[in-house]
Amino acid sequence: DARVTQTPRDKVTEMGQEVTMRCQPILGHNTVFWYRQTMMQGLELLAYFRNRAPLDDSGMPKDRFSAEMPDATLATLKIQPSEPRDSAVYFCASGLVGPGVGGYTFGSGTRLTVV
Amino acid sequence: DQQVKQNSPSLSVQEGRISILNCDYTNSMFDYFLWYKKYPAEGPTFLISISSIKDKNEDGRFTVFLNKSAKHLSLHIVPSQPGDSAVYFCAARGFNTNAGKSTFGDGTTLTVKP
Repeated sequence: DARVTQTPRDKVTEMGQEVTMRCQPILGHNTVFWYRQTMMQGLELLAYFRNRAPLDDSGMPKDRFSAEMPDATLATLKIQPSEPRDSAVYFCASGLVGPGVGGYTFGSGTRLTVV
Repeated sequence: DQQVKQNSPSLSVQEGRISILNCDYTNSMFDYFLWYKKYPAEGPTFLISISSIKDKNEDGRFTVFLNKSAKHLSLHIVPSQPGDSAVYFCAARGFNTNAGKSTFGDGTTLTVKP
């Protein structure tokens, strides 16, 4: 089965440090999403790309978060500087967007803890 | 403003009985609805979907019902099995606006007791 691969699986870092999370989407999928799940909320959309072009990053705190897709096999989410409130599980998902094509495939997530 | 709401944080049912999970939405531009299932320490997995041109979609033990006038959908699992115990997320998106961008509810934790 094709899968979305996220690294690292777990990350513990000190406040103020830079954090980079990586995602390898499924080959052939044209859309890549970054979601965040905290204890208090469901899945919150941070940003997404269509054919590697950023479509919407309105869910991200612009001053500290950045999302890029340097090539079709890699999407990155970077936090600089990190803060304790950024502690959450970050999910990457990919999909082929179009009528009736079903859901997206999620990775297993990166659990980020900022101390 | 939460556009997709799952008002029941948890649900407990007996094995073999029906599980009914509910979801309400407010954005009338949504025209495609999905359910995902999530186990601990894993990402959500797509379960079943329904287009707004239908009011029912069935896949094995899982059936999703859509009531557009009430802006309400539900997921029925019959019969429920212990392996169905997970968090279920309702999601919605529109094809014509922000196409592909899904908005998720907060999830309902289903526990199926043997």
